[in-house]
Amino acid sequence: NAGVTQTPKFRVLKTGQSMTLLCAQDMNHEYMYWYRQDPGMGLRLIHYSVGEGTTAKGEVPDGYNVSRLKKQNFLLGLESAAPSQTSVYFCASSLNKAHQRGYTFGSGTRLTVV
Amino acid sequence: AQRVTQPEKLLSVFKGAPVELKCNYSYSGSPELFWYVQYSRQRLQLLLRHISRESIKGFTADLNKGETSFHLKKPFAQEEDSAMYYCALRSNNAGNMLTFGGGTRLMVKP
Repeated sequence: NAGVTQTPKFRVLKTGQSMTLLCAQDMNHEYMYWYRQDPGMGLRLIHYSVGEGTTAKGEVPDGYNVSRLKKQNFLLGLESAAPSQTSVYFCASSLNKAHQRGYTFGSGTRLTVV
Repeated sequence: AQRVTQPEKLLSVFKGAPVELKCNYSYSGSPELFWYVQYSRQRLQLLLRHISRESIKGFTADLNKGETSFHLKKPFAQEEDSAMYYCALRSNNAGNMLTFGGGTRLMVKP
């Protein structure tokens, strides 16, 4: 049971380049989330999904897009990367609304935009 | 709007000393609060939830609605407790997402 897997683990982009971060979970969780982690600011929600085919904006959605075509995958896209998007990105999933077991987090993707 | 505040970015204590990591929140409804921990080079993991009223690894946290606080406490810190700790509040909107505080880094010195 792999839990939540994020790929890639590290990436360096040039300003203006695009990329997609993949989050995959094998726990049949309905809810999935993308957060970014910045020093002193904790984790801030970018986008989330409450089920296959659904997505919604979080606290800091600008510059990002997401898709959830399959229940187990939640993709985060950066169309034109900017230095302000340098961060550690975490994906998380949850079985249901009650978060009875809390979120399950991936190991993170460290992105640097130069 | 809901908000979670962890006033200390860094807390340094000696092994065996008591630890209290502060968390304050603002929320208009009935809050559900969590503590998450991130050890070095590991992913975030749930430490405890207020509704469980449990003690995990010697840590406890009590919800004080009057003071809108959910401080994390441990009577005797261990070196292996050194980690980043995040307090989080669950919203009751459609996404039921968690709002995290800025985090406190706990360093336990030998």
